[in-house]
Amino acid sequence: EAGVAQSPRYKIIEKRQSVAFWCNPISGHATLYWYQQILGQGPKLLIQFQNNGVVDDSQLPKDRFSAERLKGVDSTLKIQPAKLEDSAVYLCASSLVGEKLFFGSGTQLSVL
Amino acid sequence: SQQGEEDPQALSIQEGENATMNCSYKTSINNLQWYRQNSGRGLVHLILIRSNEREKHSGRLRVTLDTSKKSSSLLITASRAADTASYFCATEYTSGSRLTFGEGTQLTVNP
Repeated sequence: EAGVAQSPRYKIIEKRQSVAFWCNPISGHATLYWYQQILGQGPKLLIQFQNNGVVDDSQLPKDRFSAERLKGVDSTLKIQPAKLEDSAVYLCASSLVGEKLFFGSGTQLSVL
Repeated sequence: SQQGEEDPQALSIQEGENATMNCSYKTSINNLQWYRQNSGRGLVHLILIRSNEREKHSGRLRVTLDTSKKSSSLLITASRAADTASYFCATEYTSGSRLTFGEGTQLTVNP
């Protein structure tokens, strides 16, 4: 069974630039999550989709972050413009409803 | 914040010893999950325990849940150097479907 795919693996940008991350969940998983993990901390949920609808985006900084889930499958997360404090690992995960999460390897973002 | 809290923040033991990590949470849950993260990698699911369950086992892992104390523990028996990782508890609260992670316990198993 293929896992959750994320790209790119690493990204370095300067502040005020824009960046986009891509995620392909496990086939058949209705729920898709984007988490932000700052070094030394636990993952923080940014946005949760069920199929192509948003379930929870209460912790998404909507002035600079946006996310969409295309046709209920792939998803992209965008940051525009990036700030220094956005340096983190961005983790995508997917699951069946109410079940355990499968995580991708993450995208490590460095904002200089 | 509804974030769960792990205790201890860091734990260092010798190979063969048992490791116990604790997690406390704030309000009623549907389930509690434990995940492991090796440095620089994504998280891997270990065990999911539902609110009506008290104990679950998986290989060398044992998880208990005490809903009256709003706490859970993860026991790793006969630890190995390969168990070195960060361990996170995550709670799904009855008030919403968001899975909220704690700050984690960094476990180091010395050979």
